[in-house]
Formats: sequence, C-alpha cells, structure tokens
Amino acid sequence: AQSVTQPDIHITVSEGASLELRCNYSYGATPYLFWYVQSPGQGLQLLLKYFSGDTLVQGIKGFEAEFKRSQSSFNLRKPSVHWSDAAEYFCAVVLYNTDKLIFGTGTRLQVFP
Amino acid sequence: GAGVSQSPSNKVTEKGKDVELRCDPISGHTALYWYRQRLGQGLEFLIYFQGNSAPDKSGLPSDRFSAERTGESVSTLTIQRTQQEDSAVYLCASSAGLRANNEQFFGPGTRLTVL
Repeated sequence: AQSVTQPDIHITVSEGASLELRCNYSYGATPYLFWYVQSPGQGLQLLLKYFSGDTLVQGIKGFEAEFKRSQSSFNLRKPSVHWSDAAEYFCAVVLYNTDKLIFGTGTRLQVFP
Repeated sequence: GAGVSQSPSNKVTEKGKDVELRCDPISGHTALYWYRQRLGQGLEFLIYFQGNSAPDKSGLPSDRFSAERTGESVSTLTIQRTQQEDSAVYLCASSAGLRANNEQFFGPGTRLTVL
C-alpha cells in the first residue's frame, strides 16, 4: 500500500546535539516531498520541500533534508538543535498527478537543556 | 488578511448534535483543503476545493460529513449527528493553486470534542 512512514514516534535530544528525523515513503514513482513542523498551539509550517534536482535541500530554521531514491527516504537533519525546535515534525508527500498531501504520523521532538 | 483563520478554536458538543466549522483562507488563494488530526496521529486528508468546486471528496469519512465553499472565500465543514470518534483537530489550509508547487498554508485548527 502507498504510505509515508515516520518510524520514530518520539525523540529526545540535548540542546546543541545533532538531529536526524527519518521518513520513508512507499510509492511507485518519486513523489514531491515535504517536511512540516507543528509547534504547540500553532498551525503547521513548511520547513522545506523537494521536487527535483539537487537531492540535498535547505529549509528554514537551519534544517536540511536529503532525498535518497535508492532508500525511498527523505530524512530531516539539523546540526545543532535549539530548545525552540521542540515540536512535532511531519513528513508529507504529494504524488505528481494528484493534489493531496499525504502525511506521516509525525515525530515528537523533545529538547533537554 | 494575515493568514488562514478558523473558528471556533474549540468546540465541545454532545453526541448526536450537528457542528459547523469555519475556515477563512488567505485572500486570493483559490485552493482550500480540510484535514483531520486525531490524537497521536498524522493528518488525514478530507476534501479540497478549487474555487467553489470540490473535485475530490474521497477523504470524507462518512456521509455525515459535508463541506461547502462560497466562491473563493470562506468554507464550512459540517458534521451531522456527531459521534465520539469525530473528536479531533480539524485543520484548514489554503494555497495559491492546486499544484504541488503551491505551498499550503495552515490555520490553527478547530479542536472538536464530542462527549
């Protein structure tokens, strides 16, 4: 079945540590790929997106993500996490011939000082 | 307007009652989307509009759910005869167009609790 998988439900890191959030998709063709962040009491905000071209994409707030076709993955990374990064992170895809965002179940990030 | 707004922010209702949730998109955005987010789960697509037309209603969970949109403006999501499993946060998003390269901007959501 077509799906988006975020295997880590909850991740805890120390402030200043590096971060990698995993996302895998299961589709026949390469979809468009997105990462969103949902902070407490706020709406979802787009961090970055991949359509084509350079497989390493830069986003806002110092985040980046790398598309790996061979692994059907689009993992989100940040070299040094800040306490304000504590939030829920969602990976999402849109198949190129549809208009629907399909979301993963999310990863909750907790940051310790 | 600044961003996507939704009202009410919270709604508590009794099982069996009807509820209406409202979404005001960003001015000029032709596409509008509704999603549902159940506790501990990702977002579930419900329906989208291009203008006031809804080409894809496949995500609506049952015939108790309906949505309409007036022109390229406000949209309402109506849930009739609410059930406890309808409890969730309902999110609305709008974008400048339907294609994937148009970023969807999300509202803060309406938290619906069915007692």
